[in-house]
Amino acid sequence: GAGVSQSPSNKVTEKGKDVELRCDPISGHTALYWYRQSLGQGLEFLIYFQGNSAPDKSGLPSDRFSAERTGGSVSTLTIQRTQQEDSAVYLCASSFLQGLSSYNEQFFGPGTRLTVL
Amino acid sequence: GDSVTQMEGPVTLSEEAFLTINCTYTATGYPSLFWYVQYPGEGLQLLLKATKADDKGSNKGFEATYRKETTSFHLEKGSVQVSDSAVYFCALSDRNNDMRFGAGTRLTVKP
Repeated sequence: GAGVSQSPSNKVTEKGKDVELRCDPISGHTALYWYRQSLGQGLEFLIYFQGNSAPDKSGLPSDRFSAERTGGSVSTLTIQRTQQEDSAVYLCASSFLQGLSSYNEQFFGPGTRLTVL
Repeated sequence: GDSVTQMEGPVTLSEEAFLTINCTYTATGYPSLFWYVQYPGEGLQLLLKATKADDKGSNKGFEATYRKETTSFHLEKGSVQVSDSAVYFCALSDRNNDMRFGAGTRLTVKP
């Protein structure tokens, strides 16, 4: 079946503009994750959804960042008033969580490369 | 909170050399441990995993053993190939279902 898809694949925007990034998880996956990968850096956890709710928003860097998930499927990450330091690759992953098991294989999308000029 | 520390790169090896990339973790519970790989121009993909102490994950000639006593999950391969050139990420997942990644280690294998 189809994997995790993200759109757009590339986004160039001007400082101060808002951007919206989209993630379509694997069908049936209950959990969805957003990460940020800056040039030469590791993966920075942003937010995680279980169904439509977000138990952990601790990674969002500022109040300019928000995310939502509807219908237990598609998620959007919105960055308001973008800054140059927001430039990064934004990765989405999904997984099928099984109760309280800590086994949590995540499947990643190809990412959205955001460039803020 | 939970965290992962992995060997800083970059690592450059000749083909057929032995590879070790160190990874240690800090966790309050009993996490699952993973190695993910990111080949040039591609997304992250799971390389191997271990869900409990003393488990050994293996795939494509790579191995890693979950060592609770040393809180480690070092990645090893006996003979690397040029095609193994990639960035490798160690990660853990706890009962809260969060995933924490290390900073990544870039491996370059020269012919």
